[in-house]
Amino acid sequence: EVQLVEFGGGLVQPGGSLRLSCVASGFTLSDHYMDWARQAPGKGLEWVGRSRAKGENYAPQYAASVTGRFIISRDPSKNSLYLQMNSLKTEDTAVYYCVRLNLNYVVDYWGPGTLVTVSS
Amino acid sequence: DIQMTQSPSSLSAFVGDRVIITCRASQGISNNLAWFQQKPGKAPKSLIYAASSLQSGVPSRFSGSGSGTDFTLTISSLQPEDLATYYCQQYKSYPLTFGGGTKVEIK
Repeated sequence: EVQLVEFGGGLVQPGGSLRLSCVASGFTLSDHYMDWARQAPGKGLEWVGRSRAKGENYAPQYAASVTGRFIISRDPSKNSLYLQMNSLKTEDTAVYYCVRLNLNYVVDYWGPGTLVTVSS
Repeated sequence: DIQMTQSPSSLSAFVGDRVIITCRASQGISNNLAWFQQKPGKAPKSLIYAASSLQSGVPSRFSGSGSGTDFTLTISSLQPEDLATYYCQQYKSYPLTFGGGTKVEIK
């Protein structure tokens, strides 16, 4: 059974950093494109970024709003995906979701999400 | 960036009603469109990909259609468990973008 579970959310001050983890089970993370998406409180969904599969060297792609501040990485040995978030702003406050794409590059599974609150 | 516009932003319907949600792209995206369902307090769930293909396990009362710039999500017979917000997303080009959502309520 495919499962995605995010960890690492919490309260951080503006300008601070936080690293989110997404632990995958039931499949080999390296074979799949993976996305991060987020949802600010009471708002809609926003795509944050993408990590391509191993065959494409995990090449990333980012939304303009996070480019230069957020970094997506992986640890294949832990079947895990990460989102390193630096220079956090209050507008980064959101639930962050880890999202899997199937081998046809279509989104199929979402994690339950982890809440990040950026506030002083 | 490709803008995705959903309508209506909310609707209320009776159990058994046919419900139609529309999604319009600001430029042509072929059939590179997905629909997601988000129930209150839960993570989104994938419903439809490639504009009209149902994800495994999704009830057949859900269907999608469209190509180019105009798309629809239809619930043929609304059920109480369909209470949710529905989002479209284009994956034709980066950045991937979502519609603003349609909140479906049960009368």
